[in-house]
Amino acid sequence: NAGVTQTPKFRVLKTGQSMTLLCAQDMNHEYMYWYRQDPGMGLRLIHYSVGEGTTAKGEVPDGYNVSRLKKQNFLLGLESAAPSQTSVYFCASSFPGGGYNEQFFGPGTRLTVL
Amino acid sequence: RKEVEQDPGPFNVPEGATVAFNCTYSNSASQSFFWYRQDCRKEPKLLMSVYSSGNEDGRFTAQLNRASQYISLLIRDSKLSDSATYLCVVNGGASGTYKYIFGTGTRLKVLA
Repeated sequence: NAGVTQTPKFRVLKTGQSMTLLCAQDMNHEYMYWYRQDPGMGLRLIHYSVGEGTTAKGEVPDGYNVSRLKKQNFLLGLESAAPSQTSVYFCASSFPGGGYNEQFFGPGTRLTVL
Repeated sequence: RKEVEQDPGPFNVPEGATVAFNCTYSNSASQSFFWYRQDCRKEPKLLMSVYSSGNEDGRFTAQLNRASQYISLLIRDSKLSDSATYLCVVNGGASGTYKYIFGTGTRLKVLA
């Protein structure tokens, strides 16, 4: 099992460019999440999905869009990148919430917006 | 007030020492609790869940105090390989069971 994978691992964008981050999991998890991690801020939830075809906003959704067309994939899009979106992005997945369900994380994508 | 608060450290301890971290949470309806470990420039990984009765895994002991709304992690006989950031994570409650709230982490450096 590969677990949770993310592509790309690194990316540099110019302000205004767009890109899509891909997350894939092979654990048949229902829930998937996108977080960003910034120094001193901890992990903050951008968007999440509780199943195929459903998405919802998290704590910091502005400037991002997501799609979950297939259960195993969760895409994060930046339509017009801004320097404030420079961060490390982590995807995670888990079985349905409640109880002691572990979140499994991908290796992260380091994004720099110039 | 942050929903989950941790002392950022760093905690610098010699090999073999015992070190303890605390974490406080604000939502009294929170349902499940975890410690994750994050190595530099890597993803977080589950270290251990924290149960109401307290639990131990080798050199690691986790405790939950619901009345005072804090959880703790005790590491005995510290190893160089324990150097990492330890994230306190709280799940569930009225905010929804999908929601995992992460503390900003406590840095531990074990010195030779």
